[in-house]
Order: sequence, then structure tokens, then C-alpha cells
Amino acid sequence: DVKVTQSSRYLVKRTGEKVFLECVQDMDHENMFWYRQDPGLGLRLIYFSYDVKMKEKGDIPEGYSVSREKKERFSLILESASTNQTSMYLCASAGTGRIYEQYFGPGTRLTVT
Amino acid sequence: DQQVKQNSPSLSVQEGRISILNCDYTNSMFDYFLWYKKYPAEGPTFLISISSIKDKNEDGRFTVFLNKSAKHLSLHIVPSQPGDSAVYFCAASAGGNSGYALNFGKGTSLLVTP
Repeated sequence: DVKVTQSSRYLVKRTGEKVFLECVQDMDHENMFWYRQDPGLGLRLIYFSYDVKMKEKGDIPEGYSVSREKKERFSLILESASTNQTSMYLCASAGTGRIYEQYFGPGTRLTVT
Repeated sequence: DQQVKQNSPSLSVQEGRISILNCDYTNSMFDYFLWYKKYPAEGPTFLISISSIKDKNEDGRFTVFLNKSAKHLSLHIVPSQPGDSAVYFCAASAGGNSGYALNFGKGTSLLVTP
């Protein structure tokens, strides 16, 4: 079974802090994604990566950056956290052969105060 | 602008009956459609998918129907079970042109009552 793990289930940070959210997958998938989920808005794509050191902006990249130094790890960075970044963050991965079928981690509930 | 729309935020169905979840899309470049299921405090899990070259795909109790002319798809669950109670997300992709990224709807919360 594919396993996607995220470093924290719950995180509380202060406004202005730099925040790192880590995601690791164990299936040698080329493609990795970061989404945020907000009530009434569904899942929105922040960034994705289809190879090591490659990244593409999604629908809402403002205020975020990403890093993919190793194939199994995809990090989401909030350079200066703001209260409107309080959300559930979901990481996903997908293999090239079945790229549409993304496997999600359990999510990180981030609260910025 | 929401390209994938799930206009029913919630649905309640009796156990054993059929659940029908609907989804509309606006982007004619979408060529692959998926349904994901999400329980509280867990990430979404892939349920079933359909390519734009088909109009129906079936997997056990779950069937997805695609009507390309109407830009509409639906998920049928027969018979519905209490364990099916979850939030269901419709998703669509425009393939390689979009990096295979998925566009999600806002979700429909399904409650199956005994």
C-alpha cells in the first residue's frame, strides 16, 4: 500500500513565523502535490512537482514556496505565516503510470494566531 | 473560478437505497474524472474514475456516469451502507497540459442512515 506521511497532524504558529510542512511518500512516485482544504471551498492546489527539483504553481501559490530535493520528500514553506493561511494542508503523490490517482496523506491542521 | 461544481453540499439516504451524487464542470479540456471519498481527520482516498472516452464505469457498488454534452457526471452507490457516510469530492483533470493537476469540487457530505 502507498503510504504518504505528513510531519505533523496539528500545528500552531504565530503570525510572521516561517513554517515548514513536510511530506514523505514511500512508493517512488514522481509526482507530488500540496493542497489546502477550507470549508466551502474544497481542495485547492498550491504547488506540484513532477520530478526532483522541479515545481509548478497551482491555483493559489501566493504566500507559499516548495522544495523537492529528494524524490520521496516534498516540503511546503510558508515564508511568513498569516492568519488567512490557517487551514488543513494535504499532501498527495502519484506515479506516472496512474498519475490521476493521487494518494493523500492524513493532512496537517495549521492554525496561525 | 470554480471549474468543478458540486451544487449539493449534503445528501441523506436510507441504508439500502441508492445514493446519487452529482458534479458539473465547465472546462471542455477536462478528459479524466475521478471521485474521492474523505472521512473526518483523514486524507481523501481514490474511489473510482472515468476517462472522457467512456460514459460509464462500474466498480462493485459504485458506478460513475459521464455525460460530456451536458458536462455532467454522477456517482451512484447501490446499495448505500452506513460506512459510506463521508464527504465525496468530484475531481477533473485536463491531462498533460495542466501537469495532470486535479481540480476539485467543494464536496458533498453523504449521510447514510440505518
